[in-house]
Amino acid sequence: GESVGLHLPTLSVQEGDNSIINCAYSNSASDYFIWYKQESGKGPQFIIDIRSNMDKRQGQRVTVLLNKTVKHLSLQIAATQPGDSAVYFCAEMSGSNYKLTFGKGTLLTVNP
Amino acid sequence: EAGVTQFPSHSVIEKGQTVTLRCDPISGHDNLYWYRRVMGKEIKFLLHFVKESKQDESGMPNNRFLAERTGGTYSTLKVQPAELEDSGVYFCASSQDRGRRNQYFGPGTRLLVL
Repeated sequence: GESVGLHLPTLSVQEGDNSIINCAYSNSASDYFIWYKQESGKGPQFIIDIRSNMDKRQGQRVTVLLNKTVKHLSLQIAATQPGDSAVYFCAEMSGSNYKLTFGKGTLLTVNP
Repeated sequence: EAGVTQFPSHSVIEKGQTVTLRCDPISGHDNLYWYRRVMGKEIKFLLHFVKESKQDESGMPNNRFLAERTGGTYSTLKVQPAELEDSGVYFCASSQDRGRRNQYFGPGTRLLVL
């Protein structure tokens, strides 16, 4: 798969457990932080985003936390399911710069 | 609604050859982006079109890469001549509004240069 050779950080959890995926970002001028999910053979898929003036945002089974003091972003997935197994990327975007700047990604494996 | 499509899904070529990748964005999306992930690296931005105009091509690695979007619909990315380090996955994404966070990605073209 595409993760081979990337030496991605990995997280292995049991089905039903909560997962926390972490990301450190570098650009303190970024306006938005976004989480993408990439399943094998597919492109990245938008999960949730958070604006820089917020510290928490919740979606369906997912929560994103932003700590600007330490430039840290996390994605929490509640009641993790086998279908959540994928590579998760954080990305940054500034209002004047539409480019997405991606982090390295984390491989999440959910064990049944 | 059809998503972003890319062709081919895989391409294996020899060093020095030419390859052309195609991207069909979601209908009505004026913004089209190319990204790539080479082995061991993060996904990196290559360039951005608004309709048929190149808004930003600052991520294009060198002049062996040429992107076009004639008519503001589909886009092509040509690599000529291909080098070994061009191997990787090339993603295309589209969005309705400039700067919109939800860029819809295609499945990517996996390019292997031998």
